[in-house]
This record gives sequence, C-alpha cells and structure tokens, in this order.
Amino acid sequence: DTAVSQTPKYLVTQMGNDKSIKCEQNLGHDTMYWYKQDSKKFLKIMFSYNNKELIINETVPNRFSPKSPDKAHLNLHINSLELGDSAVYFCASTVLAGGQETQYFGPGTRLLVL
Amino acid sequence: QQQVKQSPQSLIVQKGGISIINCAYENTAFDYFPWYQQFPGKGPALLIAIRPDVSEKKEGRFTISFNKSAKQFSLHIMDSQPGDSATYFCAVPNTGTASKLTFGTGTRLQVTL
Repeated sequence: DTAVSQTPKYLVTQMGNDKSIKCEQNLGHDTMYWYKQDSKKFLKIMFSYNNKELIINETVPNRFSPKSPDKAHLNLHINSLELGDSAVYFCASTVLAGGQETQYFGPGTRLLVL
Repeated sequence: QQQVKQSPQSLIVQKGGISIINCAYENTAFDYFPWYQQFPGKGPALLIAIRPDVSEKKEGRFTISFNKSAKQFSLHIMDSQPGDSATYFCAVPNTGTASKLTFGTGTRLQVTL
C-alpha cells in the first residue's frame, strides 16, 4: 500500500565509500524528486525527473548521480561519501490536479557518514 | 532563485492556544501556496494549500491567510493539540517549465499540555 517507498531506511557508512538509495512510487506519477534535509530541517531539492528525463539539477556535487530506469523508480547513487553528506534524503513524486501540485514524500533515508 | 522566508523558527504553544506561522515570498506569479507538515521520523505531507484568488482557506482547525499585496501567507492552527507538534513548511512553486517547490526553512511547533 505504500505510495512512495525508499530503501534503505538507515545507512551508516565510512567516508570514501559509494552507496545507493532506491525509491519507488506506485502512484502512477510522472515526476519524481530527490531532496536533502539537513540537521536543521532545511529541505532542499537536488534533482527532479519527469518520465525518466532529468529536468531539475540543482547545484549538487557530481558525486551524486540520479538514475531513473522507469517512471516509477528514481535511484540516487553517491560516490566518495563525505562527512557533509550526512542527512536525511527524501524521495517524492508529484501529481498536478485542479491546478495544484501535491508532492508525496517517502519516509526518508537517514544517511550517516563516519 | 526564489527566496522563501518563514518565521518563527520554533514555536511553543499551550494546548488550546493558537499557533501562527508566517511565510514571505519574492516573486508573484504562482498558482497556489501549500503548507506541509512533517512529524519526527516521517516525510513531509501536504496539510493545506490556498490559491491566490482567495484571501483565506479553512480546513478544520487549520486556516491559511493570504495577503497578495504583502507577498505573505500564514498558517493558523486553532485549538492547538499535542498531536499537532511537528515541523511545518510553507512552499512556493516556480513558474518555469520544470515543476519545483521552494520550501521555507521550517517551523518546529511544540504544543504543551
């Protein structure tokens, strides 16, 4: 029943490692996002895909590479992890209805880089 | 880059009181203004949204007030309850070809007994 799911929920890793976070939505939405939420709760958009095509790429280090194998999935791969990458990463998908866009967020992946 | 200023950063309200969170934006050509609610350990979820052609929208205990000339909108939580304790984000959509929300900095609300 989960609308937007992410795996893993928790990720603890060493600096320099490479890791991936997966996201899937079963809502039939065309647009998906990755957000980063830091320790101060600030929510910042990283990437957006529409039907497997990258449409938003904010100022994010190129160690972060999103991949969308199909419109229901948007994964995030992070190379050479750094301490500053520690945060909660949220996937979201969106639908436009009645002129209003609603974003549906996943439960988040809590990444801790040691 | 759209700037969205949200205040206060944190808020403590007694049960039954009114919680008020404010949001100010820069650009004006938007279709709607949403508020998202985030409980600890969860992702944000849409709480309520308003279109700019009305000055107020009410859903239960939650009301959005919109002041187009001042470029501000606010969230009022009437009869605040401990279960309302969460972080609240205002958001402003862009008008470019890419769908994007710029979120405010968040307000941590704590409702005490």
